[in-house]
Amino acid sequence: DIQMTQSPSFLSASVGERVTLSCRASQNINKYLDWYQQKLGEAPKLLIYNTNNLHTGIPSRFSGSGSGTDYTLTISSLQPEDVATYFCLQRNSWPLTFGSGTKLEIK
Amino acid sequence: EVQLVESGGGLVKPGSSLKLSCVASGFTFSSYGMHWIRQAPKKGLEWIALIYYDSSNKYYADSVKGRFTISRDNSKNTLYLEMNSLRSEDTAMYYCAKLPYGWGQGVMVTVSS
Repeated sequence: DIQMTQSPSFLSASVGERVTLSCRASQNINKYLDWYQQKLGEAPKLLIYNTNNLHTGIPSRFSGSGSGTDYTLTISSLQPEDVATYFCLQRNSWPLTFGSGTKLEIK
Repeated sequence: EVQLVESGGGLVKPGSSLKLSCVASGFTFSSYGMHWIRQAPKKGLEWIALIYYDSSNKYYADSVKGRFTISRDNSKNTLYLEMNSLRSEDTAMYYCAKLPYGWGQGVMVTVSS
């Protein structure tokens, strides 16, 4: 199974700050990497699919990049509504595997 | 817009069975593979099963293989998850999903004596 390691597990940042979240795969996942946002009590919501494709309706302050085993989600200017836990998901091979999440809070 | 509505959750005893349903709308259900994903309380996400658009292939996580069965009825736009021999560690919110684009709101399954 492909292991997905997310870092950091917790991040506190200020409104307006640029934030970078990381996801590392245990082997090449060929850019089949998605990012989800999950707010308390809600289902996960897709932000980015296939590394760098912004899902419909998602603000442009969210962006994704990466290749091979290393992937990044960037929030260019953190907003109060971005408080959530962020998960990555690899869809390169079965079983699909998620990262353990980064909990993002406002400082 | 993808809409997925799960049902069938509840409180059951260890060793018992339960069948979840997920009704899909907003897309051509019969053209897409569908997934079940679960999240134990205050834990991360775990993918548990996939069924191809035509039911020709099914894949399971090792944690549920042999106990859970995924199926679908394309005439009813409905996805199912039949869960047998339930254990306390199966306690979780269960989501159906059309990955990566759409998830349901989830249904809670609690396994406890």
